[in-house]
Amino acid sequence: DTGVSQDPRHKITKRGQNVTFRCDPISEHNRLYWYRQTLGQGPEFLTYFQNEAQLEKSRLLSDRFSAERPKGSFSTLEIQRTEQGDSAMYLCASSPSGTVGTGELFFGEGSRLTVL
Amino acid sequence: QKEVEQNSGPLSVPEGAIASLNCTYSDRGSQSFFWYRQYSGKSPELIMFIYSNGDKEDGRFTAQLNKASQYVSLLIRDSQPSDSATYLCAVSATGKLIFGQGTTLQVKP
Repeated sequence: DTGVSQDPRHKITKRGQNVTFRCDPISEHNRLYWYRQTLGQGPEFLTYFQNEAQLEKSRLLSDRFSAERPKGSFSTLEIQRTEQGDSAMYLCASSPSGTVGTGELFFGEGSRLTVL
Repeated sequence: QKEVEQNSGPLSVPEGAIASLNCTYSDRGSQSFFWYRQYSGKSPELIMFIYSNGDKEDGRFTAQLNKASQYVSLLIRDSQPSDSATYLCAVSATGKLIFGQGTTLQVKP
């Protein structure tokens, strides 16, 4: 399978715990995006990378959120001290460099987080 | 004001009818506009993109763009029950896409 892969698909945690999600993009794609989606809403931009460089992080994103893409391949999104409001689907997407103009982001199946 | 706005619906149309989905955006400098489809429990997938004012057709889908009015629409002709999904409008902005909240379309047999 050469699509975008995310792990875990589901995560249930208690408030205050840390969680980490992993995303493996399509291998030849330089850009990697993280979005968050809650029920009835569209995907909300969190951050994106070109290769290993984090080019933008949403101003709305709490300091409890951090993302890395250390070797320009897979990426991790960590949420520290989780809150119930963090419950959402976390979507990873990738695209070839310079093609956001064509807008084709290839999304993974998402990682669903439930914070109790 | 949200950057990309859509009516959340649901929009209900009978099978075979034309479904019209609308979107407005706030950044007058936006250049590229996209429609994604998201089935329940699935991830978004790209249907169409449009850059220039006017219409762009692809099969049963037509995207329409009016930059002066900051308005984008998607028409689905001969709607099928399999078109029932949430349709997300997205606008490109500095290397990323900004999505609207989506419009849920229900096509009734």
